[in-house]
Amino acid sequence: NAGVMQNPRHLVRRRGQEARLRCSPMKGHSHVYWYRQLPEEGLKFMVYLQKENIIDESGMPKERFSAEFPKEGPSILRIQQVVRGDSAAYFCASSPIGTDRDTQYFGPGTRLTVL
Amino acid sequence: TQLLEQSPQFLSIQEGENLTVYCNSSSVFSSLQWYRQEPGEGPVLLVTVVTGGEVKKLKRLTFQFGDARKDSSLHITAAQPGDTGLYLCAGAQGGSEKLVFGKGTKLTVNP
Repeated sequence: NAGVMQNPRHLVRRRGQEARLRCSPMKGHSHVYWYRQLPEEGLKFMVYLQKENIIDESGMPKERFSAEFPKEGPSILRIQQVVRGDSAAYFCASSPIGTDRDTQYFGPGTRLTVL
Repeated sequence: TQLLEQSPQFLSIQEGENLTVYCNSSSVFSSLQWYRQEPGEGPVLLVTVVTGGEVKKLKRLTFQFGDARKDSSLHITAAQPGDTGLYLCAGAQGGSEKLVFGKGTKLTVNP
């Protein structure tokens, strides 16, 4: 998985709690993407960020979900007031600056379980 | 509707056999990636193809991008148990950074 770091690898939350998922891109990569993989479904795009900017959030649910990629530190995907339907594997990917942005390298994922 | 259709959905073969999996769409993609994912892990990039008709080889794996850039195939020669996994194709459409994924082909290679 070429150096994209995600933590935690597993996260258990009760309904109504908040979930914070972290992603550190590969060294030299300034583009970060979040995807969600539901059981029996393919990966679905959620959001694309660059440092301090949200570029495309067309795949993000309108409520409870937010993402940031600050100037310093990892990218954060935040889910407020989690519900059982949020249980899924959340993957972060990164790509380099320049024209090779189509090539995305994925982290190991965070498996969120909502009880 | 699924933008990228992968077939077959499941494939179980014996070690040493050859196989081909397909990724089809009615849409044009500026590039297409193939990934392999193992249980509990993230997708691992195998190849990116960008030119219509392009063929890339990675040891026993051969990837082809269709002339019209709407489809792709992955051929594995003399499959080994270590090839077992979920093979995903993903496409990028011009002007968009997001990848669209197929649902994958789950390959099992039996010793």
